[in-house]
Amino acid sequence: DAGVTQSPTHLIKTRGQHVTLRCSPISGHKSVSWYQQVLGQGPQFIFQYYEKEERGRGNFPDRFSARQFPNYSSELNVNALLLGDSALYLCASSLDGTGMGEFFGPGTRLTVL
Amino acid sequence: AQSVTQLGSHVSVSEGALVLLRCNYSSSVPPYLFWYVQYPNQGLQLLLKYTTGATLVKGINGFEAEFKKSETSFHLTKPSAHMSDAAEYFCAVRSSGNEKLTFGTGTRLTIIP
Repeated sequence: DAGVTQSPTHLIKTRGQHVTLRCSPISGHKSVSWYQQVLGQGPQFIFQYYEKEERGRGNFPDRFSARQFPNYSSELNVNALLLGDSALYLCASSLDGTGMGEFFGPGTRLTVL
Repeated sequence: AQSVTQLGSHVSVSEGALVLLRCNYSSSVPPYLFWYVQYPNQGLQLLLKYTTGATLVKGINGFEAEFKKSETSFHLTKPSAHMSDAAEYFCAVRSSGNEKLTFGTGTRLTIIP
């Protein structure tokens, strides 16, 4: 079975632009979470979605938004990019998001110039 | 609120020596505890997890961790280090009923030949 997949792998944007990151969970998993990992730090929680509904949101500005589709894939959108948004964005999937452990994708490396 | 403290941002051990990576957590409710490993330019891989039951948890690649409630600790150990163990290790906590994983800042493990 395929693991969690994310696209694109790498992305370079300039300040003020918009970006969309995509994630496909493991087959059968209904929960998707997004994390931001700035270089040298641990991942920080951004969102969790379960059955297309937002279940949790971390301490990120409204420039960050996400959604989950009927096939349980997900998009993370970031508007008005700042230099500080440069990071590895990780997607994680789990069966039901109840905390038994998530499986992470390889991440999307976003560089904002 | 939940938090994780990983003591030692860098740990070096000789090949064949004991690996000990320290993790202390804070949680107002019974926690779920996790250790993840991250190799360069990759996502996170789950090593092991504690949810309920036996406090000594065995994971992949010969790693294990022991949940000690009285010490609020979940240290990661491996009896004999291999060169392939060189990576970044993250401890994480999720409180029951909470949708997010909270990560520590990570410990970079270097193996000395």
